[in-house]
Amino acid sequence: ETGVTQSPTHLIKTRGQQVTLRCSSQSGHNTVSWYQQALGQGPQFIFQYYREEENGRGNFPPRFSGLQFPNYSSELNVNALELDDSALYLCASSLRGPETQYFGPGTRLLVL
Amino acid sequence: TQLLEQSPQFLSIQEGENLTVYCNSSSVFSSLQWYRQEPGEGPVLLVTVVTGGEVKKLKRLTFQFGDARKDSSLHITAAQPGDTGLYLCAGARNFNKFYFGSGTKLNVKP
Repeated sequence: ETGVTQSPTHLIKTRGQQVTLRCSSQSGHNTVSWYQQALGQGPQFIFQYYREEENGRGNFPPRFSGLQFPNYSSELNVNALELDDSALYLCASSLRGPETQYFGPGTRLLVL
Repeated sequence: TQLLEQSPQFLSIQEGENLTVYCNSSSVFSSLQWYRQEPGEGPVLLVTVVTGGEVKKLKRLTFQFGDARKDSSLHITAAQPGDTGLYLCAGARNFNKFYFGSGTKLNVKP
């Protein structure tokens, strides 16, 4: 059984650019959630995907968007990057129903 | 403002001491999870509690979910340096939204 993986591990972008982060869910999991964790803070829920459809969203603007693919892997896209988008981006996979999530190691994004 | 408030924010203790971390909210959650996070890594799930009043034990760690499902506590007995890390609680609402506390940074000195 493989765990949750994310790519890339680190990324540097400039303000105004766009970024795509990727997540492979744990084998057998059909739900992926994305979180933003600023330094010294707890993760903030961005959105969740279940069977390729958005299934819940936190308080993030529309420039944060996502996709889930038939194999349940997922992408997080952020347009028009701002300095405050610098953070650790985490994805977590789970089975719909049991509220147990398993996290990947995260992607550290720095916006200059 | 955080939906879940954790206290204390920081805790520095000697090896062998006991400690309790609290996670409080005015909202009801369908379940609550506790995680531990090391620097630069994703949170690792420790436990999920679902039933009000539920108590779960994991070796030296004891987790309790409040009767009203609004709060939780984590108690560590005889802390060890390997327990050092950021402890996060997270509450689930409507099965598809998760809210994290801001975390408790624990440092256990040998």
